[in-house]
Amino acid sequence: GQNIDQPTEMTATEGAIVQINCTYQTSGFNGLFWYQQHAGEAPTFLSYNVLDGLEEKGRFSSFLSRSKGYSYLLLKELQMKDSASYLCAVMDSNYQLIWGAGTKLIIKP
Amino acid sequence: IAGITQAPTSQILAAGRRMTLRCTQDMRHNAMYWYRQDLGLGLRLIHYSNTAGTTGKGEVPDGYSVSRANTDDFPLTLASAVPSQTSVYFCASSDSEASTDTQYFGPGTRLTVL
Repeated sequence: GQNIDQPTEMTATEGAIVQINCTYQTSGFNGLFWYQQHAGEAPTFLSYNVLDGLEEKGRFSSFLSRSKGYSYLLLKELQMKDSASYLCAVMDSNYQLIWGAGTKLIIKP
Repeated sequence: IAGITQAPTSQILAAGRRMTLRCTQDMRHNAMYWYRQDLGLGLRLIHYSNTAGTTGKGEVPDGYSVSRANTDDFPLTLASAVPSQTSVYFCASSDSEASTDTQYFGPGTRLTVL
């Protein structure tokens, strides 16, 4: 079967750095997405990786290793507004997104 | 309209009733999707449409139907609601011709079936 694993919850301090990991086993691979979802709101697109390596976008970076079935989202200079759930999703061979359950990130002052 | 809209925002429904959730996008995206999101689970695909006039079944299609008469609208119908369909429903759209095929989400409909 297809599976996306990410930690259920993480806690970090304002101003610090946090890394949210995602491992996947899917039938085929056509890219990996990270989304942010604030409580009671819709998921919003953060990043996309299809080749191995690091993609940087401001305070957020996303890394992919296809051989290891592994990605991480790195958030720097954490702000209180970064408190949200972070969803990892992989596009499989049928071009459908397979979603992880999400990681709830709690930021403490 | 900017992006994707969904209606209603929330609804309480008696079991056995019929309900249609509406979704409209103004981005001229060819592909549209319906997901449900339940606590502790990832988003699960109910139905999708790659282009107007075509639809397909996702991971959890039972009890739901969709239609795609035009590019902009993609309604989801529950023919006879059951309590297990209590969930938050998200509609999404994407330009599947684009290099990344990123999905963009509507604000969601919170549905409670009693």
